[in-house]
Amino acid sequence: AQSVTQLGSHVSVSEGALVLLRCNYSSSVPPYLFWYVQYPNQGLQLLLKYTSAATLVKGINGFEAEFKKSETSFHLTKPSAHMSDAAEYFCAVSGSGGYQKVTFGTGTKLQVIP
Amino acid sequence: EADIYQTPRYLVIGTGKKITLECSQTMGHDKMYWYQQDPGMELHLIHYSYGVNSTEKGDLSSESTVSRIRTEHFPLTLESARPSHTSQYLCASSELGLANTGELFFGEGSRLTVL
Repeated sequence: AQSVTQLGSHVSVSEGALVLLRCNYSSSVPPYLFWYVQYPNQGLQLLLKYTSAATLVKGINGFEAEFKKSETSFHLTKPSAHMSDAAEYFCAVSGSGGYQKVTFGTGTKLQVIP
Repeated sequence: EADIYQTPRYLVIGTGKKITLECSQTMGHDKMYWYQQDPGMELHLIHYSYGVNSTEKGDLSSESTVSRIRTEHFPLTLESARPSHTSQYLCASSELGLANTGELFFGEGSRLTVL
């Protein structure tokens, strides 16, 4: 069994401030972990993924996330928020090994205040 | 360029009409999915397919049906639309087997409104 918990359905930051979106997971097998971004009226786009290589993963648009097994966390960060970062962000977990299903969190809406 | 396409992007239709949402991918992927996303943002898996002639129900019960006659095509049909079907429907695809890291590739979505 696997699950994802995203803390905070809405997060507001000032432009230029640190972005921190929290994700905790549970998985009975070694996980693959993902962050997706969704802009209004669009599908989901992959930001970054962890697939058991380096624990610090860098993605597109200046985002990065760190896999912490001891904390079962995969928080998403960006040093300096930009107005264009305003979107919905989804954390997801998949078991490693081909046929595992993907489980999504409930999403966090990021608002960037000018 | 490999991609995944959904049509129509927006559809407003009356109750009782039959609708088909189209999804096609040029990614060469075997596995395809349909997700339903309501205004609260949460994604619910309603159908998936491992390949041609394979269709499976997802986690959320849905009155819609799907078919997979060609690898690249995975349409979703509602025989008689109702206001409760108003939602955004997202199609996705992925690799199958050992090549599958769990990464999903999404279309831009079809937003259905049933009056």
